[in-house]
Amino acid sequence: DAGVIQSPRHEVTEMGQEVTLRCKPISGHDYLFWYRQTMMRGLELLIYFNNNVPIDDSGMPEDRFSAKMPNASFSTLKIQPSEPRDSAVYFCASSFGGGIGEETQYFGPGTRLLVL
Amino acid sequence: AQTVTQSQPEMSVQEAETVTLSCTYDTSESDYYLFWYKQPPSRQMILVIRQEAYKQQNATENRFSVNFQKAAKSFSLKISDSQLGDAAMYFCAYTRFGNEKLTFGTGTRLTIIP
Repeated sequence: DAGVIQSPRHEVTEMGQEVTLRCKPISGHDYLFWYRQTMMRGLELLIYFNNNVPIDDSGMPEDRFSAKMPNASFSTLKIQPSEPRDSAVYFCASSFGGGIGEETQYFGPGTRLLVL
Repeated sequence: AQTVTQSQPEMSVQEAETVTLSCTYDTSESDYYLFWYKQPPSRQMILVIRQEAYKQQNATENRFSVNFQKAAKSFSLKISDSQLGDAAMYFCAYTRFGNEKLTFGTGTRLTIIP
């Protein structure tokens, strides 16, 4: 398996622009997670999905952030409009819950976002 | 709320020596999972080792092993025969049974001295 795939790997944009981050989870995994990593706040869970349905979005910073999972193999995290404080590394992770309890989360390589 | 504490922001070890990274956590749950993740300069988060709280036996993965002390809520990582490729940030993480959310510690930066 190719593992969790994220694109783009690097994104540089200007304040006010829309940014879309993409994630392809590991095939067969039914949970998908979006994390943000910054020096100040460490690793934060933004939102996670189970079977394509958002379960907990309490970590989403504000209305400028939105996430979708239209099918089991694709998810997006959108920031509109972007601000310099959104600069961070954004990770996608997936796991297989299987109904017997949580399993290990496997992370993608991350997207390094810089908002100028 | 669950918290994970890594009290060592930085550690260093001579190549081929052994080093132990500390992690403590706070929870009122009895069933949970603990993890150590490695983040090298590439920033990829890589699973190192996992421990189920109901298992008394400490997990081991090659040169990596844990010392899980449930009563003390301690979960340390021991790296034996340290190698240059072990240099990275190491994050301890917790999730309780039935809840998929991971809570991470602040990380320990490990430097390997040749």
